[in-house]
Amino acid sequence: DAGVTQSPTHLIKTRGQQVTLRCSPKSGHDTVSWYQQALGQGPQFIFQYYEEEERQRGNFPDRFSGHQFPNYSSELNVNALLLGDSALYLCASSWSHPNYGYTFGSGTRLTVV
Amino acid sequence: AQTVTQSQPEMSVQEAETVTLSCTYDTSESDYYLFWYKQPPSRQMILVIRQEAYKQQNATENRFSVNFQKAAKSFSLKISDSQLGDAAMYFCAYRSGRGGGADGLTFGKGTHLIIQP
Repeated sequence: DAGVTQSPTHLIKTRGQQVTLRCSPKSGHDTVSWYQQALGQGPQFIFQYYEEEERQRGNFPDRFSGHQFPNYSSELNVNALLLGDSALYLCASSWSHPNYGYTFGSGTRLTVV
Repeated sequence: AQTVTQSQPEMSVQEAETVTLSCTYDTSESDYYLFWYKQPPSRQMILVIRQEAYKQQNATENRFSVNFQKAAKSFSLKISDSQLGDAAMYFCAYRSGRGGGADGLTFGKGTHLIIQP
């Protein structure tokens, strides 16, 4: 049973560009959350998607947007990249009421130069 | 807003010994969940153990156990018989019981656990 799959694993972008990161949830999970993990820090919640809608959002600007598809996979889009957006982006999937925690992917390492 | 504090940036323990990682949190809610996640160099967050706030009994998973002190808002992780494979970053995380988990997890800054052979 495949867990959470994220692509790409690494990415280098130039300041001002736009980037799209992708996530396929664990089989049977219908909810996807995205986190940003800066170097040496704990992950920070960006937003969560359920039933193709943004369910809740953390303290991130509108440059960060997302989408969830009917097959529950998800994309994270970041516009007008800043150097400070360099981080590991983690996707986590769960059932809609994740009493049993979340399953995380291995992340996408984004470097903005 | 809830906060999670891990006061030990790094801990070191001899293989086969016991180590305790500390975590405190701040919340005004009564319904919530607490988690310990392990992040090895592979970067994937792996769930180690979870605790529901309404349960008084401390959670246990094999060599991993927690000491949950609700009044003190403390949630420490004890690893018994430490193994080389336990070396990783450990993160304490909080999730509100409101809204079905829509708020996501609030993480601490992590503790780097080193296992000395």
